Amino acid sequence: GESVGLHLPTLSVQEGDNSIINCAYSNSASDYFIWYKQESGKGPQFIIDIRSNMDKRQGQRVTVLLNKTVKHLSLQIAATQPGDSAVYFCAEKGGNNRLAFGKGNQVVVIP
Amino acid sequence: DADVTQTPRNRITKTGKRIMLECSQTKGHDRMYWYRQDPGLGLRLIYYSFDVKDINKGEISDGYSVSRQAQAKFSLSLESAIPNQTALYFCATSKGDSLIETQYFGPGTRLLVL
Repeated sequence: GESVGLHLPTLSVQEGDNSIINCAYSNSASDYFIWYKQESGKGPQFIIDIRSNMDKRQGQRVTVLLNKTVKHLSLQIAATQPGDSAVYFCAEKGGNNRLAFGKGNQVVVIP
Repeated sequence: DADVTQTPRNRITKTGKRIMLECSQTKGHDRMYWYRQDPGLGLRLIYYSFDVKDINKGEISDGYSVSRQAQAKFSLSLESAIPNQTALYFCATSKGDSLIETQYFGPGTRLLVL
């Protein structure tokens, strides 16, 4: 199977519960943030983004929260489903106009 | 995402061989990127291109080269492959005139260097 999830922090969630995935970013000048989902054997897939002039943004079953004071980003998944099992990455765009990716968090949904 | 395709999907090669990984996109994006991913690590940028024939080094460009001869294609070459280049390689694209610059990824190429 896909080995990208090895050695990553793992969140085990009961199906139907809410999931919260956290990310600490490093650059206080970053002005744009993205969450990606990577399923086994696939490339990262865009989930939701947020600009630094916002502190919350909602999508379908997902919410991203941004706390610039402590440089923290979180992704909340409502009513977690088996298809949500994946590795989740945050990414920040800094002054060099390039994305810097976090190492990722493995989410395992227990049926 | 079928809009960004990579070939081959899997490749086994020997140390010292030259190999090329191809990326094609139908999204009409002008910016393209090559990343590698190793177990337990985040994505690391190898090279990127903002337009045809524009080439920029990323974090880990040593041992790699790229070519961007057309807007829709961005190829990555390993001139003389070595075992520590064993990794997952991802191509990505983005639209350069957008303030938000979301990157869209291909399905990846799994490379094993023996």
